[in-house]
Amino acid sequence: AQKITQTQPGMFVQEKEAVTLDCTYDTSDPSYGLFWYKQPSSGEMIFLIYQGSYDQQNATEGRYSLNFQKARKSANLVISASQLGDSAMYFCAMREGVWSGGGADGLTFGKGTHLIIQP
Amino acid sequence: EPEVTQTPSHQVTQMGQEVILRCVPISNHLYFYWYRQILGQKVEFLVSFYNNEISEKSEIFDDQFSVERPDGSNFTLKIRSTKLEDSAMYFCASSKRQGAFQPQHFGDGTRLSIL
Repeated sequence: AQKITQTQPGMFVQEKEAVTLDCTYDTSDPSYGLFWYKQPSSGEMIFLIYQGSYDQQNATEGRYSLNFQKARKSANLVISASQLGDSAMYFCAMREGVWSGGGADGLTFGKGTHLIIQP
Repeated sequence: EPEVTQTPSHQVTQMGQEVILRCVPISNHLYFYWYRQILGQKVEFLVSFYNNEISEKSEIFDDQFSVERPDGSNFTLKIRSTKLEDSAMYFCASSKRQGAFQPQHFGDGTRLSIL
């Protein structure tokens, strides 16, 4: 079973609109972190935002926020007031805690969502 | 803002040759990682490194691969006897501490092309 599922392979959004990128995850570990990364066409991986499994509030970072619904095991990224420069691949990733029994160090990535912002 | 630096940005190598990819992690970070992204696919964890030894490795990280911290700043990934399927983007990352709640900061990657 996939540990990270991103169901939107591609999205087109009008500039200045808000956009939600979906991410669901699967883990039995009570301690885990969820991360979003942006990968522009130039290839680098840019860390955007993080949510810990014990965090009571949704994470926010500038125009980025994370809609964390623990019971549903979802961690959707919301980008407010989208800009042309937001066009990129977006990856959701998870890192499980010490109780996971393997893979605890490395991030597990989803397949990504290709977001295109249209003027 | 401090960043992870990777060199070279693009490496072209003949099949069967050895290649060394270099990384300079963020200076106060203690945990280092290598990831691979084959073109059009998702990013895959290869190995983590702490206190001069491998902390964890994935099933991808077989005897063909090795990592080293030859001095106080560099962190290298060596791939011996390269194969066509080793062509990928290789990312180095670092984090301050271990644990599920620590973001990993990535370098810009090295695009490895095996001919």
